[in-house]
Amino acid sequence: GQQLNQSPQSMFIQEGEDVSMNCTSSSIFNTWLWYKQDPGEGPVLLIALYKAGELTSNGRLTAQFGITRKDSFLNISASIPSDVGIYFCAGVANAGGTSYGKLTFGQGTILTVHP
Amino acid sequence: DAGVIQSPRHEVTEMGQEVTLRCKPISGHDYLFWYRQTMMRGLELLIYFNNNVPIDDSGMPEDRFSAKMPNASFSTLKIQPSEPRDSAVYFCASSFARGGWVSGELFFGEGSRLTVL
Repeated sequence: GQQLNQSPQSMFIQEGEDVSMNCTSSSIFNTWLWYKQDPGEGPVLLIALYKAGELTSNGRLTAQFGITRKDSFLNISASIPSDVGIYFCAGVANAGGTSYGKLTFGQGTILTVHP
Repeated sequence: DAGVIQSPRHEVTEMGQEVTLRCKPISGHDYLFWYRQTMMRGLELLIYFNNNVPIDDSGMPEDRFSAKMPNASFSTLKIQPSEPRDSAVYFCASSFARGGWVSGELFFGEGSRLTVL
């Protein structure tokens, strides 16, 4: 099946630093998404990308849909302590021959921010 | 508006017992997903429904797991009999279609943490 390779697996940074994480796949996705999960909660959608090459910002977050449709990155600028959590990339690929897409999640990046 | 509602939040049971997890999706959403999350395997898709019909259940581990969606506002995930390796957090999520496809914009519940002793 389709797999997403997300890196890095974990990051330890100082408050105020910028963060970058990415996801790659061997197959094409039609939609890329980034989620954040706080401890004890379900993942929450941060950014959704629908077009190859698309660059989208949401406050201090910026994400891009790779031009090859096989990768995406997420940047967080000027990190703050509440950015702590697990970040997941996810991709939707059209299931060929059907009208339903299949959503696949990456393994997650654990972010720790030291004050 | 209420989000996705899951119950119970926590369940501790003994091996061999039946476990039923419940989910109420967001009203108007076409898709409902059941995920399992563990440290070792991350987020795993178990099954998803479109308009109450199961579309892909290839992630259901084995016959001990079953899921139903009798109507648009309710779904259950049942494990019978439960085993210690089923211990995990089970998430329900709902979503809507975009251009005829699953949008990928999932709204997750808070999860049900299952511990099987």
